[in-house]
Amino acid sequence: DTGVSQNPRHKITKRGQNVTFRCDPISEHNRLYWYRQTLGQGPEFLTYFQNEAQLEKSRLLSDRFSAERPKGSFSTLEIQRTEQGDSAMYLCASSLYGRSTYNEQFFGPGTRLTVL
Amino acid sequence: DQQVKQNSPSLSVQEGRISILNCDYTNSMFDYFLWYKKYPAEGPTFLISISSIKDKNEDGRFTVFLNKSAKHLSLHIVPSQPGDSAVYFCAASDNYGQNFVFGPGTRLSVLP
Repeated sequence: DTGVSQNPRHKITKRGQNVTFRCDPISEHNRLYWYRQTLGQGPEFLTYFQNEAQLEKSRLLSDRFSAERPKGSFSTLEIQRTEQGDSAMYLCASSLYGRSTYNEQFFGPGTRLTVL
Repeated sequence: DQQVKQNSPSLSVQEGRISILNCDYTNSMFDYFLWYKKYPAEGPTFLISISSIKDKNEDGRFTVFLNKSAKHLSLHIVPSQPGDSAVYFCAASDNYGQNFVFGPGTRLSVLP
């Protein structure tokens, strides 16, 4: 199965620590998205890449959050100086943009972050 | 400011009957609408989509209807099966596949 994978699946950290998550998209997909989901809510857009270029960032993405996709393949999302409010499920999705104007996103299983 | 709303947090339906999940949106720039299904401990899975140039799209047991003037779409599942029990998210995006906005989800329970 060559779907979207995310590591780690679970992360527990203490407030103030830095954490990094990894996402490996479907190999031929050129777009990669990061979302955050809290209980009872739908996924909330954070940022997305087309190839290695970060094209959009949500206003919700504070300066403590940074994402990279250095070679246009896998991506990392780092949260510095974590806060309890950062506790959430972090979802990654990928899509193939360009074959048609509209594109479906394929999601990974997510990384659940708990900040103590 | 919720741009995509799913006003029913939960819905219960008898197996074999029709399930109707509703979604309303406020941003007239949305051009493409999608439904995703999510099981616990998994990421959302794409179900079906519709572009704003259509008012209906069908795929097997799943049909999505779009009413642009009312800014309303709905997902019909016929017949409903116990395996359809999940949380369903409505999502919308603009013409360039950007600005994806998800609704809060509706939990569907299909009772045997």
